[in-house]
Amino acid sequence: GAVVSQHPSWVICKSGTSVKIECRSLDFQATTMFWYRQFPKQSLMLMATSNEGSKATYEQGVEKDKFLINHASLTLSTLTVTSAHPEDSSFYICSARDDRDSYEQYFGPGTRLTVT
Amino acid sequence: GIQVEQSPPDLILQEGANSTLRCNFSDSVNNLQWFHQNPWGQLINLFYIPSGTKQNGRLSATTVATERYSLLYISSSQTTDSGVYFCAVGYDYKLSFGAGTTVTVRA
Repeated sequence: GAVVSQHPSWVICKSGTSVKIECRSLDFQATTMFWYRQFPKQSLMLMATSNEGSKATYEQGVEKDKFLINHASLTLSTLTVTSAHPEDSSFYICSARDDRDSYEQYFGPGTRLTVT
Repeated sequence: GIQVEQSPPDLILQEGANSTLRCNFSDSVNNLQWFHQNPWGQLINLFYIPSGTKQNGRLSATTVATERYSLLYISSSQTTDSGVYFCAVGYDYKLSFGAGTTVTVRA
């Protein structure tokens, strides 16, 4: 149980285009999901908290107009990187908390974004 | 925010050896998790342990919340234990990650 999927697993896009990443909780409902970013050889940095039915909460320094988050259902959150630039290239990881459970978070396999 | 320090940053082990990884944090928490990040980037949940002691096979963990630290023990290490181990802590839902400990187990 407690499986989180992400799609796509990797994506290459050109500068100026937008790319959407999906995060799904496969066997549980998740009112709250999270989006993280990880640079090579570094730790994970929380970008935003996604809440079903309400606006996402962004961490300080994260541009909400650049990283659009939509939590459309209790099992799906999406992150759209708008007008992507090479500096947006990174490993993006989502997590979800089971509504029935504790504060434990379950992580997706990540999406590697390369902007050329 | 909560500061999280992990030590050591790097650990090289011979197969079969035991080791202890440490996680210190700066504030009260009610959420603490240990993860193993595999070479493909997937974070594997090892323990959800805001307090107390847990064991799962060759791994065990202890959190002393009043003293703001947690320990992860790896016994009889295997080459498949190689990777980065992260400690993440928080109050309620938000997690702050430590910098990780990179473990290399040599055959």
